[in-house]
Amino acid sequence: NAGVTQTPKFQVLKTGQSMTLQCAQDMNHEYMSWYRQDPGMGLRLIHYSVGAGITDQGEVPNGYNVSRSTTEDFPLRLLSAAPSQTSVYFCASQRAGGLGELFFGEGSRLTVL
Amino acid sequence: SQKIEQNSEALNIQEGKTATLTCNYTNYSPAYLQWYRQDPGRGPVFLLLIRENEKEKRKERLKVTFDTTLKQSLFHITASQPADSATYLCALEGSSYKLIFGSGTRLLVRP
Repeated sequence: NAGVTQTPKFQVLKTGQSMTLQCAQDMNHEYMSWYRQDPGMGLRLIHYSVGAGITDQGEVPNGYNVSRSTTEDFPLRLLSAAPSQTSVYFCASQRAGGLGELFFGEGSRLTVL
Repeated sequence: SQKIEQNSEALNIQEGKTATLTCNYTNYSPAYLQWYRQDPGRGPVFLLLIRENEKEKRKERLKVTFDTTLKQSLFHITASQPADSATYLCALEGSSYKLIFGSGTRLLVRP
């Protein structure tokens, strides 16, 4: 049972480049979310989805785009990377209903030069 | 504004002692609160959930309390071991489907 799988684990981008962080879960969870983690600031919610075809913004959505075409996948797109987006990104999933534990991926470390 | 506060300074204790970590919040009325453990370079791992109508929850050597009047949760690890060294995050329900995290407290358990 793989749980939540994120790719890539590491990525270096130049300012202005675009890329997609992939996230997949095999637990049939309805709820998925993306967080970024920066030193001293904890995990901040970027975007979340309560089911296929439904997405919404979190605390820090600017510069990021998401879609949810299937229950399993929830990719995060950086449209035009900026140095301020240098961070560690975590994808998480949760059973339906919004109550209960989050299952996290191992993280994707992104550096924007 | 809404705020979750965890002690940013590392907690350094001797093996065998009880570690107590604090999570304070303002301007929230969460229905539940969660605690996670995070090891360096890894994703957070869920430990415990406590609901607003529960005063205390236990799991093996872990104990969590939730005081909605004080707006505070305490996380205790009894008989601590070096393997308990990690960062511990508290998280609470900000609004529907949004789990908001504190910045975490690093625990160091000396052998």
